[in-house]
Amino acid sequence: DAGVTQTPRHEVAEKGQTIILKCEPVSGHNDLFWYRQTKIQGLELLSYFRSKSLMEDGGAFKDRFKAEMLNSSFSTLKIQPTEPKDSAVYLCASSPGLGGDSQNTLYFGAGTRLSVL
Amino acid sequence: SQLAEENSWALSVHEGESVTVNCSYKTSITALQWYRQKSGKGPAQLILIRSNEREKRNGRLRATLDTSSQSSSLSITATRCEDTAVYFCATDAWTNAYKVIFGKGTHLHVLP
Repeated sequence: DAGVTQTPRHEVAEKGQTIILKCEPVSGHNDLFWYRQTKIQGLELLSYFRSKSLMEDGGAFKDRFKAEMLNSSFSTLKIQPTEPKDSAVYLCASSPGLGGDSQNTLYFGAGTRLSVL
Repeated sequence: SQLAEENSWALSVHEGESVTVNCSYKTSITALQWYRQKSGKGPAQLILIRSNEREKRNGRLRATLDTSSQSSSLSITATRCEDTAVYFCATDAWTNAYKVIFGKGTHLHVLP
């Protein structure tokens, strides 16, 4: 089975640019999460989808961060406009979300390392 | 403030020794999970322990859960260099929607 795929692995952007990060979840999973990871803040939840519906839009991340799930097998995270403080690793994870022991298990991609200059 | 938090930023042990990572959390939970993240990779789940369980094992790993003190521990026996990683505890939480909240992680270094 294919795991979670994230592209690109690395992204370098100039301040003010728009960047789009992509994620393909595990086939058949109902839940999809976007997290931002930094050394200081750790893993911060940006967005959460259940069956393609946006359930959580990340509060403080709302203004410049927009996650979408156009179909059950593809999600994007757009950052517009980028700022240097957005430099971080962005992780996508999916979960079965259907109950049972595996209900809450998150399967992560390898992440996209974003550097904003 | 963090809903889940590991109690140590970093730990070092020598190969073959045992080590325990501790976690405290602040909310009522249905389950607590332990994840490991190696350099350049995303976190991977090690153990999921439900609120009605007190202990769970997975090979050299043993997780405990104490809901009365809202704490959990992850013990690794006979550590190996490849156990070097960041270890996270994560709890589920309901605010306006279901979410999984991670602690900031404990950096474990296993020395030869």
